[in-house]
Order: sequence, then C-alpha cells, then structure tokens
Amino acid sequence: QKEVEQDPGPLSVPEGAIVSLNCTYSNSAFQYFMWYRQYSRKGPELLMYTYSSGNKEDGRFTAQVDKSSKYISLFIRDSQPSDSATYLCAMTGGSQGNLIFGKGTKLSVKP
Amino acid sequence: SAVISQKPSRDICQRGTSLTIQCQVDSQVTMMFWYRQQPGQSLTLIATANQGSEATYESGFVIDKFPISRPNLTFSTLTVSNMSPEDSSIYLCSAPTGWEQFFGPGTRLTVL
Repeated sequence: QKEVEQDPGPLSVPEGAIVSLNCTYSNSAFQYFMWYRQYSRKGPELLMYTYSSGNKEDGRFTAQVDKSSKYISLFIRDSQPSDSATYLCAMTGGSQGNLIFGKGTKLSVKP
Repeated sequence: SAVISQKPSRDICQRGTSLTIQCQVDSQVTMMFWYRQQPGQSLTLIATANQGSEATYESGFVIDKFPISRPNLTFSTLTVSNMSPEDSSIYLCSAPTGWEQFFGPGTRLTVL
C-alpha cells in the first residue's frame, strides 16, 4: 500500500461546478497536509496547508482533514476555467523536506 | 516567498551522457531539494542539499548517479549521470520559506 493515494483522474467539470478532490493516506504520523496546484509546464505552487484535523477556507477553496479516517479533501467552489490544472496533495510528519506527494489529479473546467 | 529558476528548461540527451541542471533562488535559503516527477507518478524526493555539507540522498538514489553541488545559499546543481531512457522525467528543485515550499518550473529531460 502506497503512503498516499490520489485518484489521477482526469476530472472534467462545467464552469461553476463544485469540485471535490481527495487523498487517503496510511501513515498516522502525518501532521501537516498541503494542496499544490501545478499548471502545465510549471512547478507546483502551494494552495493551502492545514495542521492536524479540521477545515480551512481561503476564498473559493476549502481544505478538510479527517485524521481519524486518514482522508483529506480540497473543495473548489464556483470553479473557473483558470482552475484547470493538476492538484497534488502532500503531507509530512513534521520535517519540511520530507513531503510525501500524491500522484496528482488532473482537473479540467469547461467554459 | 522565493522565486526559483532552472536551466535548462528541457533537453534531449543520448544514453550514456550526463546532464547538469542548475537551480537559482532569488534569496538565501538553508535547504534546497531536488525532486523527480515521472509521468503518472508522484513527485519523489531525490536529495536534500545544504550549503557546506554533503547532500542527503533518499532511498533508491545514489550520489554516483545524481551528484549534487551546493556552492552557496542561492544556487545548486543536480547532475544526472550515465543516463538511460528510464531517467526521462521532469526534475524540479525547491526551497522552503517557513512551511511553504517553492518550486522551480522544472527541467524536462528526454533520454534517447
């Protein structure tokens, strides 16, 4: 079993839809959870990070962590074509360099 | 924040040759990281490069294959040595500021 599982998609939604992206993990030592967005031919950029369990909201984006289920989610409200990208979840037990990434989910938002 | 640039952006190389990838950060950082991103796979950490010390390699990666230099606090190089088609991948460098890790745009390597 891989440490982090993420459905690679692709996921295609119409503009304005609510998007739900998810990752599961197996290592209970993970404490910091991040979501990165990667546009084609660009490096990943950090969207949000969350410590331990709970929700965090930033504009149209909401990150959720459920440590009891070892499950994290990223919700995108009112999705826009500019949200079309690959979204990678990442997590670590505390060491900044030791990020474990999911494979990424490729999202396409159609106008 | 940190702005990171990489050279080259892409290259096509013959098997058995070596390629050195450069990574430049616009501010001084203690740690720099090198990742590999293979098609359909997760980003995988190759090594951590600290200025003034030997790089620390992750399991499955060795110095002879991926020598790294870190001559100062804003620059690092990764060499992919004796390349084979299996080395075809995107190579990314990154540097942290606080909890945020900033990535370069990547070097897309194709080995024929």
